[in-house]
Amino acid sequence: QVQLVQSGAEVKKPGSSVKVPCKASGGTFNTYPIAWVRQAPGQGLEWMGGIIPIIGVPTYAQNLQGRVTITADKSTSTAYMELSSLTSDDTAVYYCATREVPAGMFWVMDVWGQGTTVIVSS
Amino acid sequence: QSALTQPASVSGSPGRSITISCTGTTSDIGGHDYVSWYQQHPGKVPKLMIYDVSKRPSGVSDRFSGYKSGNTASLTISGLQAEDEADYFCSSYSTSNTLLLFGGGTKLTVL
Repeated sequence: QVQLVQSGAEVKKPGSSVKVPCKASGGTFNTYPIAWVRQAPGQGLEWMGGIIPIIGVPTYAQNLQGRVTITADKSTSTAYMELSSLTSDDTAVYYCATREVPAGMFWVMDVWGQGTTVIVSS
Repeated sequence: QSALTQPASVSGSPGRSITISCTGTTSDIGGHDYVSWYQQHPGKVPKLMIYDVSKRPSGVSDRFSGYKSGNTASLTISGLQAEDEADYFCSSYSTSNTLLLFGGGTKLTVL
């Protein structure tokens, strides 16, 4: 079964960028759709976008277009989510997640990373 | 405001059943059978409970069931247990500019 491991917490200044890694192990990385989901404190889940490494073309949530970049490095089985022009509204836990169940669409997440807390503060 | 609408809270007594609704549009819930439900306990990672409207991943109790009618999906939990107390989020594939939408979440309290 695939496992996803994320990095530790980050503190960023407003206006800066953050790049969060998500390393996969125990599965065939290239074929797993990797989604990024964030959750602001006390709030709900928000799908940010995702990528299927073997295809390599990411898809993004409309409200984050232009600020988010999702990539996948097949050589290290690591996906990345980079978010730019950070504001306090971007303070959240950022999860990577993937799908092992035989669902009818890519963006069903039954395997999750542990989450990376990103705090945006001056 | 979330794209999919869920009640903020529901409650039920142990052993009883509850249903959480998730309302969307013909561009998402009503147009596809790609609704999922996630359970999240405080401070924990979300857990997939239902996918493709009514399918359960291996290991998920059959007390959890999913259903869809028109633009509204539902999650029913029967035989409520204390451990079911958590937040529940629905999600759906969408033909809008954002491929996956989440509901705002429903807090389930087991009385």
